Amino acid sequence: GAVVSQHPSWVICKSGTSVKIECRSLDFQATTMFWYRQFPKQSLMLMATSNEGSKATYEQGVEKDKFLINHASLTLSTLTVTSAHPEDSSFYICSASDLAFLAKNIQYFGAGTRLSVL
Amino acid sequence: QKEVEQNSGPLSVPEGAIASLNCTYSDRGSQSFFWYRQYSGKSPELIMSIYSNGDKEDGRFTAQLNKASQYVSLLIRDSQPSDSATYLCAVKAAGNKLTFGGGTRVLVKP
Repeated sequence: GAVVSQHPSWVICKSGTSVKIECRSLDFQATTMFWYRQFPKQSLMLMATSNEGSKATYEQGVEKDKFLINHASLTLSTLTVTSAHPEDSSFYICSASDLAFLAKNIQYFGAGTRLSVL
Repeated sequence: QKEVEQNSGPLSVPEGAIASLNCTYSDRGSQSFFWYRQYSGKSPELIMSIYSNGDKEDGRFTAQLNKASQYVSLLIRDSQPSDSATYLCAVKAAGNKLTFGGGTRVLVKP
């Protein structure tokens, strides 16, 4: 149980284009999803928290107009990196929790998306 | 001061030995603590959670929590080459967020 699928696993795009990353909970209803970014040899940094049907809450320093998050259903959240630039190249990872997991602060992670912006 | 601190390593241990990893945190009010394993290029995998003082064992892994001293540790017994990875300590922050440490890289040598 507790499987989170993330797609695509790897994407290369040209500077100025937009990229959408999907995060799906396959066997539970994810009331809350989290989006992280990880640069090489660094730890995970939380970008935003999204609750189903609500606007995402962004961490300080994360541009909400650049990183668009939609959590329209209990099994799907998307992160769109708009007008991507080389400095946005990173490993983006989503995680998800249902109410039971959230009560214990447990998050299950997707496999991650490696974004390379040329 | 970082909120969650770990020695970056690498921690080199011979196969079959015990690997001991430490993590300290700054928020005295933290209640939930986690250890994740992350292989290179992969996403984190939850291996242990601990919520109360003392030891918690799960297979070859033992988590130890000392809230008074604000540290949490992870012991890996009978270390195997497949245990070579980066181990991330995570602490519940405000709301439902987790704050991650920088990770300790473990190398198990055959």
